[in-house]
Amino acid sequence: EVQLLDSGGDLVQPGGSLRLSCAASGFIFSGYAMSWVRQAPGKGLEWVSSISDSGGSIYYADSVKGRFTISRDNSKNMLYLQMNSLRAEDTAVYYCAKLVTTGRKFDSWGQGTLVTVSS
Amino acid sequence: QSALTQPASVSGSLGQSIIISCTGTSSDVGGHSYVSWYQQYPGRAPKLMIYDVSNRPSGISNRFSGSKSGNTASLTISGLQAEDEADYYCSSYVNSNTFVIFGGGTKLSVL
Repeated sequence: EVQLLDSGGDLVQPGGSLRLSCAASGFIFSGYAMSWVRQAPGKGLEWVSSISDSGGSIYYADSVKGRFTISRDNSKNMLYLQMNSLRAEDTAVYYCAKLVTTGRKFDSWGQGTLVTVSS
Repeated sequence: QSALTQPASVSGSLGQSIIISCTGTSSDVGGHSYVSWYQQYPGRAPKLMIYDVSNRPSGISNRFSGSKSGNTASLTISGLQAEDEADYYCSSYVNSNTFVIFGGGTKLSVL
C-alpha cells in the first residue's frame, strides 16, 4: 500500500524559512515523479512544484519560483520542499503527492502538513 | 494561466444523478485527454476518482464517470449516496511550463 507521510509544517514569521518532508513507502520511490500541492484555508488546490524520478527535471509554479526548492533523496525514500522568503499568502496545507507523469495525475496523496506564515 | 471554472456548489437527492462541469480553454481541457477529478472530504487529502477524462482507478465505484466535450469536462455521479457529499476538483495538464492547473472546486450536497 502506498503511504506518504508529510511533516515539517509550523508557524513561521513572514520572511522566514521552513523545510517540509515527505516519507514515502509501499512503492518504488525512485521510479516515480513527485509533487507538492497546497491548499490555502477554505480555498482550492494549487500545484506548487514537481520533480522527476531521478531529480533531473524540476518544475515550479510562478508563485513560488525563486523562493521554494524541491528535492528528493531516493536512497531514503524522501521528498523535500525548502521554503524561503515565506509570505502570508503561502499559508496553506501542503500535500506531497505521487505523480503519474503521463497525464499529470496525482494518484496518491499525503495527509498534509499545515504551514502558517504570520507575525 | 487561470484556474479551470467549476460551479461552486451542486446538490442532488439520494439516488439521483448529478453532473459537475469543468470549463477551460483549448490550451488545457480542450487540447488533450488529460483531465482528472479528485474527491476531498473536509480535513482530508484529495483522492483521485477519474483520470485521462474517463478512466477510473482501481477501487473507484462505477457510479463515477467522466467525459469531455470541447473545452468542458464533466464528472457524473449516478445513484447519489450520502458518502458522496464532498468537494470535487478537476485538473488538467497544460504544458511543460504550466505543469497542471486545478478547478476552483465544487461542493456537492446530497439532500
